[in-house]
Amino acid sequence: DAKTTQPNSMESNEEEPVHLPCNHSTISGTDYIHWYRQLPSQGPEYVIHGLTSNVNNRMASLAIAEDRKSSTLILHRATLRDAAVYYCILRPPFGNEKLTFGTGTRLTIIP
Amino acid sequence: EAQVTQNPRYLITVTGKKLTVTCSQNMNHEYMSWYRQDPGLGLRQIYYSMNVEVTDKGDVPEGYKVSRKEKRNFPLILESPSPNQTSLYFCASSSTHRGLRFSNTEAFFGQGTRLTVV
Repeated sequence: DAKTTQPNSMESNEEEPVHLPCNHSTISGTDYIHWYRQLPSQGPEYVIHGLTSNVNNRMASLAIAEDRKSSTLILHRATLRDAAVYYCILRPPFGNEKLTFGTGTRLTIIP
Repeated sequence: EAQVTQNPRYLITVTGKKLTVTCSQNMNHEYMSWYRQDPGLGLRQIYYSMNVEVTDKGDVPEGYKVSRKEKRNFPLILESPSPNQTSLYFCASSSTHRGLRFSNTEAFFGQGTRLTVV
């Protein structure tokens, strides 16, 4: 399975934008880049996913490098409710197409 | 409301006493899977199912069984639980994208089942 590398932790001030980086230098051409987050005492929650182009939804934006070896999840205006562990995951379109979770980035929001 | 429902949320049991954790989704998803989450090890896939009557092992299947008799339900069975199966368990489901790939769709997770085996 192609691996991802994320910082263990990050801090951000409330109401500021947050950029969460992810490196995936061994990504294959068909792997989808997924982001999930896990709030305390809850199951993982889908945030966003993409293949090649940048993506936006109501929760966040996903910026994908042109060579696809890295991506950045952007929370445009962090709130205290965004404090969570964020996982960057490559999901292959073959085999069991599983989500392989790494250790993620623990995001702390400072009021 | 689209959701994945697990029961029970909390369970304490004794070694060797068979138990079942239920998982049900109301989104008509084909793909369902079970994960366990342990400190320092993250979430690891136990079993998955790509459709009714189709199941296969994930990364850590030992000591677990599953069945998929109906599309909405995917129970996790521990025939003889042991203390090393003490963990937080999550069920997840996804649909296909235009009938082809699950990897291009979002996965929905249940709230989790915290299991303690003593």
